[in-house]
Amino acid sequence: ETGVTQSPTHLIKTRGQQVTLRCSSQSGHNTVSWYQQALGQGPQFIFQYYREEENGRGNFPPRFSGLQFPNYSSELNVNALELDDSALYLCASSWTEGPWGEQFFGPGTRLTVL
Amino acid sequence: RKEVEQDPGPFNVPEGATVAFNCTYSNSASQSFFWYRQDCRKEPKLLMSVYSSGNEDGRFTAQLNRASQYISLLIRDSKLSDSATYLCVVKRGNNNDMRFGAGTRLTVKP
Repeated sequence: ETGVTQSPTHLIKTRGQQVTLRCSSQSGHNTVSWYQQALGQGPQFIFQYYREEENGRGNFPPRFSGLQFPNYSSELNVNALELDDSALYLCASSWTEGPWGEQFFGPGTRLTVL
Repeated sequence: RKEVEQDPGPFNVPEGATVAFNCTYSNSASQSFFWYRQDCRKEPKLLMSVYSSGNEDGRFTAQLNRASQYISLLIRDSKLSDSATYLCVVKRGNNNDMRFGAGTRLTVKP
């Protein structure tokens, strides 16, 4: 177990709805990254939060947004859900110290959009 | 073209076999490199970092060729428990922006 938790574990939504996913980082970690993993693919970087500020973003539209709180936990919000948003959403926490910092992943939230 | 490309697999090998995975990356500014392992319906976990001089951890050996932008992972004496998807990961810089390959699935059979 990594100490990174995510909620909920599974979620079913319909097109056009909005969803909020939550992540609690491992104790002592100040950085949270979010990834989308479609079936049969590797995780795709959505964005990263460091000390409550967005610190890098992948190729995802603005309807994907996030927050980081003072305790370093984080939320991922997705508006106007599309069928292609169905995926496993992973968060990973790390301590930002140089290029070799390991990211520890949570178990993920599996989102299904109908 | 994807930023990180891996052998598509799957690889099906008998116990005790040696298997090699290859990975290429397109961003020459990439700074650090990793292999992660992901079991079915589980989260990815770090297998090993990949250093410029190459490094070994038991049965696992990782190599990096910066000039060719190529990374490899060699698994010797495969065990049933090595069955998983192996993800090649490239980090762009200090901000932990990691880019994953699509993964190569390995099945080790008795």
